[in-house]
Formats: sequence, C-alpha cells, structure tokens
Amino acid sequence: AQTVTQSQPEMSVQEAETVTLSCTYDTSENNYYLFWYKQPPSRQMILVIRQEAYKQQNATENRFSVNFQKAAKSFSLKISDSQLGDTAMYFCAFIRGTSYGKLTFGQGTILTVHP
Amino acid sequence: NAGVTQTPKFQVLKTGQSMTLQCAQDMNHEYMSWYRQDPGMGLRLIHYSVGAGITDQGEVPNGYNVSRSTTEDFPLRLLSAAPSQTSVYFCASSCLRDRYGYTFGSGTRLTVV
Repeated sequence: AQTVTQSQPEMSVQEAETVTLSCTYDTSENNYYLFWYKQPPSRQMILVIRQEAYKQQNATENRFSVNFQKAAKSFSLKISDSQLGDTAMYFCAFIRGTSYGKLTFGQGTILTVHP
Repeated sequence: NAGVTQTPKFQVLKTGQSMTLQCAQDMNHEYMSWYRQDPGMGLRLIHYSVGAGITDQGEVPNGYNVSRSTTEDFPLRLLSAAPSQTSVYFCASSCLRDRYGYTFGSGTRLTVV
C-alpha cells in the first residue's frame, strides 16, 4: 500500500518570503503521479500543481514549484513571494498510474502567511 | 456551472439514523470517488466508481454504501450513523481523457450526535 507523509503539521511565513512544504511517499510503483492541493477556509480543494513520475523536470506553476526527488521519494512544494491568499491547508497526494479515482493523501500542512 | 455538486453542505444526525449524501457531476466524467477528511489524517478514500454500475471499496468503507446507476450521480449512504462518522465528506470526479485531473465538490460537514 502507498503512504504519503507530511511531517510539518503547521508552517508560517512572512508575506513576500519563500516557504517550502515537505512531503515524502512510499511506493514500489514506477508509474505514478503526485499532487499538491490547497484547501482554503472555504473548504474547496484546489489543485496547485502535479508531477508525473516519469518526467525528470520539476513542475512549476507561477509562484509554485516542486522539488521532485524520485530516488529519495520526496516531493516538496516551494511557494515564492508568499501572499496572504496562500494561507490554507496544503495536502500532498499520490496516485498509481494504473489507478482511477484512488488518491492517497498526506495528513496536511496548515500554512499561515503573516502580513 | 459545470462541476461537482454535493448536497447537503451541513447535516446533523442522531446516532442510528440513516441518510444519503448526494453527489452529482455534469461533466460526463467516468470516475467518481468519495473521501472523508478528519483532522490529522488527511483525506481517506471510502468508495470509488470507474463507471455506471461499477463500484469498489476504498480504505475506509465500513458503514457506508454506494451505487452508481447513472454516470452523473454517485450517492453515499450511511446505514446507521455513528459518532465516528462525524467528518467532512468530499466527492471527486475525473475523466478518461484526463484521469488525474480531479474535480472536487465543496464538501459536506456531517456531525453525528
């Protein structure tokens, strides 16, 4: 079974600074996808970024980028130029390439951006 | 607006009562799933479906039933509510063309007293 671990229950950062959220996973699969989801107080789940395991290049989406270390099974999220609207719970998630609708989530990290 | 619609948004049940959480999507997505979110545990898969008439269990299926009679709807039934089922429930869907592009509903907060 796959597991996803987020070891930082809470993080805080000053506005305009950079913060990195950690995620490790355990799998014997070679074909899989990794995701970061944002959940603001509205409770809506919003996809931030996703990474295909077969791609060596790290995914980026504007101020959000990942550091994907396949051998170390690590998938961290870097948020640059943090904004107050980035305050949210962030979830790391994993899915096998042959699975449909079966995401495995980490425990979540609450990120607070201070003005 | 296209998306995943969950109803109700909030619900309080008494122990032993039954109810159905509704989930509907209008994007013709093949895959639909139910998750529950609990503090410190992230989201855990309850049941999922890969198409009409096909369902299977996830990580925490006990106490829940599902059916998928149409592509659009995937209701989650609580047979006899227990306080341990107090949680926030999310429905999600994705399609064959982009099977990893999930759309989530806005969630249902359920309290069992």
